[in-house]
Amino acid sequence: GQNIDQPTEMTATEGAIVQINCTYQTSGFNGLFWYQQHAGEAPTFLSYNVLDGLEEKGRFSSFLSRSKGYSYLLLKELQMKDSASYLCAVSPSGSARQLTFGSGTQLTVLP
Amino acid sequence: GAVVSQHPSRVICKSGTSVKIECRSLDFQATTMFWYRQFPKQSLMLMATSNEGSKATYEQGVEKDKFLINHASLTLSTLTVTSAHPEDSSFYICSASSPRGVTEAFFGQGTRLTVV
Repeated sequence: GQNIDQPTEMTATEGAIVQINCTYQTSGFNGLFWYQQHAGEAPTFLSYNVLDGLEEKGRFSSFLSRSKGYSYLLLKELQMKDSASYLCAVSPSGSARQLTFGSGTQLTVLP
Repeated sequence: GAVVSQHPSRVICKSGTSVKIECRSLDFQATTMFWYRQFPKQSLMLMATSNEGSKATYEQGVEKDKFLINHASLTLSTLTVTSAHPEDSSFYICSASSPRGVTEAFFGQGTRLTVV
């Protein structure tokens, strides 16, 4: 079966750093994705990890530990526009981008 | 990046009628497209995998006779919600299997369906 867990809500202050954790147990693994989704809009791609380690892309970084079934998304220098839902998603083995999503973490950035 | 266009963005229909949602890959050929549904404050749930030229594969619990999927070309998949009821009101999103060499899946803009 597929099980992806992430916190439901988080709150942080503008300019701060926030880490959103994701743990997964899936029958097959071909990479982990992070997406940002604003209310009423489609998800937009943030990052992809398939090997262990940290991937950095501007203000956003994502980490993966396959042995622990664990990932986190790190957002630096938070801005008000970063208030959104952040979705952790796993691609099972052999599947062309069929994704299993976590429930999403609603991040609220306060001034 | 690759573009996936979904239409309409919003639709309101009467209970008992059918609604068709289109998903197009604008600048690449997509042999596989995916249809997701998202209820308020919940995550995306995969409904079905749409394969060009063959029958769609539905996830457990999704009625294939209610949610008709057609993938007649490499750039177009359609989802028809037949005999819609208020409980079908949701946000429907398609995604296309990314082109070779590109990692991420590309999502359409989503369709907000309201059945009254």
